[in-house]
Amino acid sequence: SQTIHQWPATLVQPVGSPLSLECTVEGTSNPNLYWYRQAAGRGLQLLFYSVGIGQISSEVPQNLSASRPQDRQFILSSKKLLLSDSGFYLCAWSVVYGYTFGSGTRLTVV
Amino acid sequence: GIQVEQSPPDLILQEGANSTLRCNFSDSVNNLQWFHQNPWGQLINLFYIPSGTKQNGRLSATTVATERYSLLYISSSQTTDSGVYFCAAHEESSYKLIFGSGTRLLVRP
Repeated sequence: SQTIHQWPATLVQPVGSPLSLECTVEGTSNPNLYWYRQAAGRGLQLLFYSVGIGQISSEVPQNLSASRPQDRQFILSSKKLLLSDSGFYLCAWSVVYGYTFGSGTRLTVV
Repeated sequence: GIQVEQSPPDLILQEGANSTLRCNFSDSVNNLQWFHQNPWGQLINLFYIPSGTKQNGRLSATTVATERYSLLYISSSQTTDSGVYFCAAHEESSYKLIFGSGTRLLVRP
């Protein structure tokens, strides 16, 4: 069966520190991978998506970057965090139309 | 790009009541989905419904693509139905899944 792992679950980081969030998928090949952010409130904002290894599309200019070093691994990074980077980060994968989301990382930048 | 609008933004129900959530979307979409986010943040896919009607237990959904709306029906609501309900849609020929702002549902015992 297909599963998605996202870690850590919670993270408190100081302003200016680096960030690395990892997401891995099991049980499928060549998935589309996504990073979303949910700020205070309810909306989900698409940050990055990837349709293959090394292929990253950025949706919003920001302090973050993404990489896909392996078929089923998607990494969200920042060199220097800002207060505005706080939020709930969700990784997702899809094959055709079905979407599965990870359990999310709640990031607080202090 | 497409826009996805949901109503109402907030909804409070007494356990056992029925409700209808609405999603309007602009332009053409080639898939429409409903998700439920529980109070712990987990997003669960409820329906993939580009057109027509589907039912799963107490939940059902209808999409009328030609009129650019979708409805999610919750019958005999339970406290575990609480959370935020999102609809989301793809732009045509795009991998981007765009979410509406959600309907926050609270079901009281």
